[in-house]
Amino acid sequence: DTAVSQTPKYLVTQMGNDKSIKCEQNLGHDTMYWYKQDSKKFLKIMFSYNNKELIINETVPNRFSPKSPDKAHLNLHINSLELGDSAVYFCASSLRAEQFFGPGTRLTVL
Amino acid sequence: DAKTTQPPSMDCAEGRAANLPCNHSTISGNEYVYWYRQIHSQGPQYIIHGLKNNETNEMASLIITEDRKSSTLILPHATLRDTAVYYCIVRVATNAGGTSYGKLTFGQGTILTVHP
Repeated sequence: DTAVSQTPKYLVTQMGNDKSIKCEQNLGHDTMYWYKQDSKKFLKIMFSYNNKELIINETVPNRFSPKSPDKAHLNLHINSLELGDSAVYFCASSLRAEQFFGPGTRLTVL
Repeated sequence: DAKTTQPPSMDCAEGRAANLPCNHSTISGNEYVYWYRQIHSQGPQYIIHGLKNNETNEMASLIITEDRKSSTLILPHATLRDTAVYYCIVRVATNAGGTSYGKLTFGQGTILTVHP
């Protein structure tokens, strides 16, 4: 009965590779988000989708491309991974005021 | 969104009330005060939010001053599992259409340590 799930939980990869992180929510929410938490623990919004439409696109390199095939899914694809992309990536969803977060995906780029 | 200021860390004894302050002196009339927490290695968790009235739920109470320039999150009987980083965030609750896709802007938060 997981509300917001992410796969994989851990991702270790080499620089230059392309990888994807998947997110699914079973809460029936209209809005989904991607946040990045860096090594200093700062949490920052990256993207937000509402009903499969991109709403928020913060200053993120265009190597990052979110894709929302339907309201319940928001995937994050990252091209040409760099060392600085190492972080924990959190997916979240919301219907009204409260945002529900997933468990996070720890990405390590070697 | 208005900026918030929180103490970097606080301690609390288990079973006692934990009172976490937050200053938001530039808050606008349509901005709500939200509290989230992040327990180590987990995703942030919503706790409570309010506009101007005090709020209470099963997790905590939120006290907002009359001028709305500051607030206090109260965990009435702190347990060891309440050890976490607590974030006070100010933002508009919903957009004009009633849905909510506003970003949460996290600051550094307060590291609350509950000790036996």
